[in-house]
Amino acid sequence: ILNVEQSPQSLHVQEGDSTNFTCSFPSSNFYALHWYRWETAKSPEALFVMTLNGDEKKKGRISATLNTKEGYSYLYIKGSQPEDSATYLCASLSGSARQLTFGSGTQLTVLP
Amino acid sequence: EAQVTQNPRYLITVTGKKLTVTCSQNMNHEYMSWYRQDPGLGLRQIYYSMNVEVTDKGDVPEGYKVSRKEKRNFPLILESPSPNQTSLYFCASSFTLAGEQFFGPGTRLTVL
Repeated sequence: ILNVEQSPQSLHVQEGDSTNFTCSFPSSNFYALHWYRWETAKSPEALFVMTLNGDEKKKGRISATLNTKEGYSYLYIKGSQPEDSATYLCASLSGSARQLTFGSGTQLTVLP
Repeated sequence: EAQVTQNPRYLITVTGKKLTVTCSQNMNHEYMSWYRQDPGLGLRQIYYSMNVEVTDKGDVPEGYKVSRKEKRNFPLILESPSPNQTSLYFCASSFTLAGEQFFGPGTRLTVL
């Protein structure tokens, strides 16, 4: 089983703060890295799918970077808002596997 | 509207009583999968399917069965449910293995 780890497990920030979380994954035979946003009582929704080393993706105030050689990805949220409160999941796919392996998520709470 | 549907959304049952959770997608996706979500463990894949009549075990397949007779449907079958299968279940689909996953609304199952 591929080991995908996320840190921190949970995070509280004040409205307006910028924040970031980490996703670590095995770098060997890397194929793709996904980020999902999961709000309470809803389903996970895709934020980014990243495949290339050095890739950077952005959607509004949220951006992500990818380092496939060292096996990590960062998710950044600029100027956090209460509506950003959610669990952020990453998932990794290796070339030899036929399934995504999810991390356990980072639970973000943005305090007004 | 492009979507993944699951039924039922909530189910309380008793040990040993066979049940099926249905999953259907209208996006002509080839890849479908089932996950369970338990506190602190993140999403764990139960089974996945690359196409019609092609299914394979994920990380936690014990006690579950699936079938993929049609491209749009991927039911999850619990032949003899046990209390340790109490969990939140998600069905997901994507165009390709590496593509973003579209999740259903989830099924909360309680086995007494």
